[in-house]
Amino acid sequence: DAGVIQSPRHEVTEMGQEVTLRCKPISGHDYLFWYRQTMMRGLELLIYFNNNVPIDDSGMPEDRFSAKMPNASFSTLKIQPSEPRDSAVYFCASGDRGHAYNEQFFGPGTRLTVL
Amino acid sequence: SQQGEEDPQALSIQEGENATMNCSYKTSINNLQWYRQNSGRGLVHLILIRSNEREKHSGRLRVTLDTSKKSSSLLITASRAADTASYFCATTALYSNYQLIWGAGTKLIIKP
Repeated sequence: DAGVIQSPRHEVTEMGQEVTLRCKPISGHDYLFWYRQTMMRGLELLIYFNNNVPIDDSGMPEDRFSAKMPNASFSTLKIQPSEPRDSAVYFCASGDRGHAYNEQFFGPGTRLTVL
Repeated sequence: SQQGEEDPQALSIQEGENATMNCSYKTSINNLQWYRQNSGRGLVHLILIRSNEREKHSGRLRVTLDTSKKSSSLLITASRAADTASYFCATTALYSNYQLIWGAGTKLIIKP
């Protein structure tokens, strides 16, 4: 398996623009997580899905952030409009409760810079 | 939200020495995991210890868990330059629905 795939790896955009981050989880995994990592706040869980259904989105900073999982092999995280404080590395992770007691498999991340 | 706190925040040692990192948490847990993050990369799972286990080994890694003190330690023996990374602990709370609660991480630097 190729592991969790994220695209793009790097994104530079201007304030006010829409940003869409993409994630393909490991085939067969039924949990998908979106995290944000910054020096100041560390690793933050934004939202997670189980069987394509959002379970907990309490970590989503504000209405500018939205996430979807239209099918088991694809998820998006959208920021509209983007702001400089959204600059961070965004990770997608997937897992399978039947696999190994909540182990999560991370993608390489998308480094977002909002100018 | 962050439940775990790693200690120390940063650690610099000579290659070949042992590195010990600690993690404390606040609530009762199902299990505790340690992850490694190399600079610019995603996190990689290292080892998991269940709440009814006290010690676990994997290669050069040794993890201990003390549920009475709500703490865990990760020992890396005979450190190598390639061990330079940040190390995070993550816990799954009792009756949790799969969500991991993360610590702030320990940055480990191995000097050649």
